[in-house]
Amino acid sequence: QQQVKQSPQSLIVQKGGISIINCAYENTAFDYFPWYQQFPGKGPALLIAIRPDVSEKKEGRFTISFNKSAKQFSLHIMDSQPGDSATYFCAARGNFGNEKLTFGTGTRLTIIP
Amino acid sequence: EAQVTQNPRYLITVTGKKLTVTCSQNMNHEYMSWYRQDPGLGLRQIYYSMNVEVTDKGDVPEGYKVSRKEKRNFPLILESPSPNQTSLYFCASISPTDTQYFGPGTRLTVL
Repeated sequence: QQQVKQSPQSLIVQKGGISIINCAYENTAFDYFPWYQQFPGKGPALLIAIRPDVSEKKEGRFTISFNKSAKQFSLHIMDSQPGDSATYFCAARGNFGNEKLTFGTGTRLTIIP
Repeated sequence: EAQVTQNPRYLITVTGKKLTVTCSQNMNHEYMSWYRQDPGLGLRQIYYSMNVEVTDKGDVPEGYKVSRKEKRNFPLILESPSPNQTSLYFCASISPTDTQYFGPGTRLTVL
């Protein structure tokens, strides 16, 4: 049972444009929503994360928008650059004591010049 | 430098031949976890450990074992590997502030 649905599966954006990746979750017990960035041959690395007490968090060109009532959250990458080309995973974690992240299926982002 | 190391990085083996993938972290974290990454499925938790000698199953534990005899090490053991365990494996060490630090991955092929 997939608890975090991520879309799109792949995304091509022109340099300087805005990249948007969406995720939806089902379990209302989730209390932490990180985004991970993964380059080929590397492990995922935390990019930005949000907790449900705020609706938006911004770090540089990266912004998470969070809609608690709709159980959705999204990653926006402003002024997208070729170096942003990577696979992005949204995730969610609940307070179940196992520190398990439930991951989305990933979005392969390609920024073209 | 804070890091999680895994060995080996690549492994090709045959069905039924026991293998161990090692994982070590230098951040003194209590929580550690193993995930497998498969195309179209994202990352799924195999096992996790909350501290030394405390381990429990994740979502896909069948065919795997783990141990946590020391805080820094969390090896993943496949007693009798099968082709459906061909995957990319990641060890993660979790900080008290919820950040998961992933190792570089181990690509396993079981023939």
